[in-house]
Amino acid sequence: EVQLVESGGGLVQPGGSLRLSCAASGFTFSDHYMDWVRQAPGMGLEWVGRISNKGNSYTTNYAASVKGRFAISSDESKNSLHLQMNSLKTEDTAVYYCASLRAVYGDGYYYHYMDVWGKGTTVTVSS
Amino acid sequence: DIQLTQSPSFLSASVGDRVTITCRASQGIRSYLAWYQQKPGKAPKLLIYVASTLQSGVPSRFSGSGSGTEFTLTISSLQPEDFATYYCQQVNSYPVTFGQGTRLEIK
Repeated sequence: EVQLVESGGGLVQPGGSLRLSCAASGFTFSDHYMDWVRQAPGMGLEWVGRISNKGNSYTTNYAASVKGRFAISSDESKNSLHLQMNSLKTEDTAVYYCASLRAVYGDGYYYHYMDVWGKGTTVTVSS
Repeated sequence: DIQLTQSPSFLSASVGDRVTITCRASQGIRSYLAWYQQKPGKAPKLLIYVASTLQSGVPSRFSGSGSGTEFTLTISSLQPEDFATYYCQQVNSYPVTFGQGTRLEIK
């Protein structure tokens, strides 16, 4: 069974750091692109960032709101995805989900959709 | 960034109703759109991708259509388990963006 389990959430002060993890099982982790998505309390979904697969050199892309503060990495040996969050702000308070992506070919490129999600981990940034 | 605007933001309907949710993109995204369903306290679930392709295991009462800038999600006959919030998402270009959501409630 394909499964993603996030961990590492908690309470942190503004300006602090936190590292989230996402443990993957049931699929070949290194073959898949992976995303982080967050949801602030009572709000909609916000894409945080993406890491490509091993074949595409684990390239990363980020939302403007987190670029330069957050970093996504993959640990193939442990089938784990990580989100290092630095210089945290109160507006980073959210449930953070990891998702594995389905690649669909079209118009000469692969386009990626979030087909398996973890249950999320809660990050609260507050003094 | 590509903005996605869903309408309506809130919808009240009865079991058995046919409902349609619209998603409009601020610029053309071809067919690179997905729909997700989210229930309270749960992770989103992929329903439809490439605008009209049903994800495996999703009931056939769900359907999607559209291309370019206007897309629709239709539920042909609402079931009790369909009451949830629905989001559209574009994957045509970075950054990936979501619509603001449509909350579907029981009348």
